[in-house]
Amino acid sequence: ETGVTQSPTHLIKTRGQQVTLRCSSQSGHNTVSWYQQALGQGPQFIFQYYREEENGRGNFPPRFSGLQFPNYSSELNVNALELDDSALYLCASSLVGKSYEQYFGPGTRLTVT
Amino acid sequence: GENVEQHPSTLSVQEGDSAVIKCTYSDSASNYFPWYKQELGKRPQLIIDIRSNVGEKKDQRIAVTLNKTAKHFSLHITETQPEDSAVYFCAASKTDKLIFGTGTRLQVFP
Repeated sequence: ETGVTQSPTHLIKTRGQQVTLRCSSQSGHNTVSWYQQALGQGPQFIFQYYREEENGRGNFPPRFSGLQFPNYSSELNVNALELDDSALYLCASSLVGKSYEQYFGPGTRLTVT
Repeated sequence: GENVEQHPSTLSVQEGDSAVIKCTYSDSASNYFPWYKQELGKRPQLIIDIRSNVGEKKDQRIAVTLNKTAKHFSLHITETQPEDSAVYFCAASKTDKLIFGTGTRLQVFP
């Protein structure tokens, strides 16, 4: 096991609502990245946090936002949910300077109805 | 932006045979190429990776090769076993942002 945990495991929301997903990084890892994995596709990079600041962002709108806390845990917030936001949301932790090796959590399955 | 293409999308082999999955990347500045295995309903697991200063890397039955000139890299699995059945993703990166391929569903039949 990699030590990266995520909560909740599953979540059902209605279009227009807001959601917060949580991630606890592997011990010693100071960088967290969030990915969206739609069914049958590869993970898509949302953004990365290092030292509590956003450190890179993919092609996702501003209604996707995040936070990283001093203990390296992290949140992904999505406002104004759309049906296409239904996906598996994965966080991955890594150690800056450790050759980009990223270890994924089990993911949160979000369904928007 | 960076793009990673992966082939084939599905691959069926007999137990004991070899399997090869190929990826092509577009950004010549990419310097890190991991492979992930994802079983149904589970997290992607890093199985092997290679950096741009190395042409080949092996770990037991798994090997990865990199051709920087052609911007190709491949995963080779020898002596396949039923437990190798999963979806495999390649990725490319020049920073901590991973760009993934579309995945290959590998089925190993006993």
